[in-house]
Amino acid sequence: NAGVTQTPKFRVLKTGQSMTLLCAQDMNHEYMYWYRQDPGMGLRLIHYSVGEGTTAKGEVPDGYNVSRLKKQNFLLGLESAAPSQTSVYFCASGPGGRPWEQYFGPGTRLTVT
Amino acid sequence: GESVGLHLPTLSVQEGDNSIINCAYSNSASDYFIWYKQESGKGPQFIIDIRSNMDKRQGQRVTVLLNKTVKHLSLQIAATQPGDSAVYFCAVSDNFNKFYFGSGTKLNVKP
Repeated sequence: NAGVTQTPKFRVLKTGQSMTLLCAQDMNHEYMYWYRQDPGMGLRLIHYSVGEGTTAKGEVPDGYNVSRLKKQNFLLGLESAAPSQTSVYFCASGPGGRPWEQYFGPGTRLTVT
Repeated sequence: GESVGLHLPTLSVQEGDNSIINCAYSNSASDYFIWYKQESGKGPQFIIDIRSNMDKRQGQRVTVLLNKTVKHLSLQIAATQPGDSAVYFCAVSDNFNKFYFGSGTKLNVKP
């Protein structure tokens, strides 16, 4: 099993550009999450999904949108990137019975200039 | 929301000693408490969890203690090894949908 994969690994955007980060998991997990991690800080939840076709806001959702059209995929979109969105983004998935046992992807390092 | 903090940003221990990493949280309704390990350049990795109806749980070389009275939890690592060097995060949740992470403690293991 590949576990949780993220695409791309690195990206540089100019202010105002848009992009989509792709997360895929092959563990048939119900729950999926998007976090951002800034230097010296813990992870902060952006959006999450409790199943295919569902999404919900996390702690810091402004400026991001998500979609979960297929159970195995969770997409994070930035419509108009801002320098404040420079961060490392992690996707995670969790099984329906134990969603707190999250499996994380390797991260995407995004720089917005 | 929830506020989660770790007591020390960095902890240095000698190989073979026991390590204790602490975490404090603010929401008395928190029900799920989790510890993650993050190695450099990688995503966090689940270590162990504990529910609010327990005060101690043991895993392989790790023990998590929960004190709900003072809203404090700790992760104890026995016989710390060089491979334990990483950043350790605690995370808490009151509904297992939203998880709040602390800022992390970097554990350095000296040979």
